[in-house]
Amino acid sequence: EAGVTQFPSHSVIEKGQTVTLRCDPISGHDNLYWYRRVMGKEIKFLLHFVKESKQDESGMPNNRFLAERTGGTYSTLKVQPAELEDSGVYFCASSLQGSNEQFFGPGTRLTVL
Amino acid sequence: QKEVEQDPGPLSVPEGAIVSLNCTYSNSAFQYFMWYRQYSRKGPELLMYTYSSGNKEDGRFTAQVDKSSKYISLFIRDSQPSDSATYLCAMNTGGFKTIFGAGTRLFVKA
Repeated sequence: EAGVTQFPSHSVIEKGQTVTLRCDPISGHDNLYWYRRVMGKEIKFLLHFVKESKQDESGMPNNRFLAERTGGTYSTLKVQPAELEDSGVYFCASSLQGSNEQFFGPGTRLTVL
Repeated sequence: QKEVEQDPGPLSVPEGAIVSLNCTYSNSAFQYFMWYRQYSRKGPELLMYTYSSGNKEDGRFTAQVDKSSKYISLFIRDSQPSDSATYLCAMNTGGFKTIFGAGTRLFVKA
């Protein structure tokens, strides 16, 4: 069974540009989560989807971040416009309905210059 | 004060040693406790998942939760060089927002 996949693995952009990260959860997992780890800090929760609905987006840092999960399958996280402090590793995770045993993807390393 | 405190290490032990990794937390509402292992440039891999207080064993790994002390531990027996990684504790209240510790870097020397 394929695990959580994320694309791209690494993205380097300039301040002010737009970047879109993609996450494909484990097949059949209704719950999808985004987390990020900035340099020297803990992994922080960003938001949680159940199917296509946002259940909790309390961790989204500001309105430059937009997450979508059209059709309840894959999800995208767009950062527009990117700032230097957005650099870090963005992780996606998924879990089965009713379970919070979360399985993580390999992450996307975002570098904003 | 952070909700979850974890010593970042690094922790260096010889092969075969028993490793003890720990976290403390402040939110008494946490009920679900996890340990993840993360290799360099990889995503966190779920190792242990426990509910409330008590012990759980899986092979060489034992997770302990003491809710009265707000303290959780992960023990690794017969440690191997392949166990060298960052170990992250994580916890939540039963919802889906999971809070992570900073991670402890472990080195097991052959």
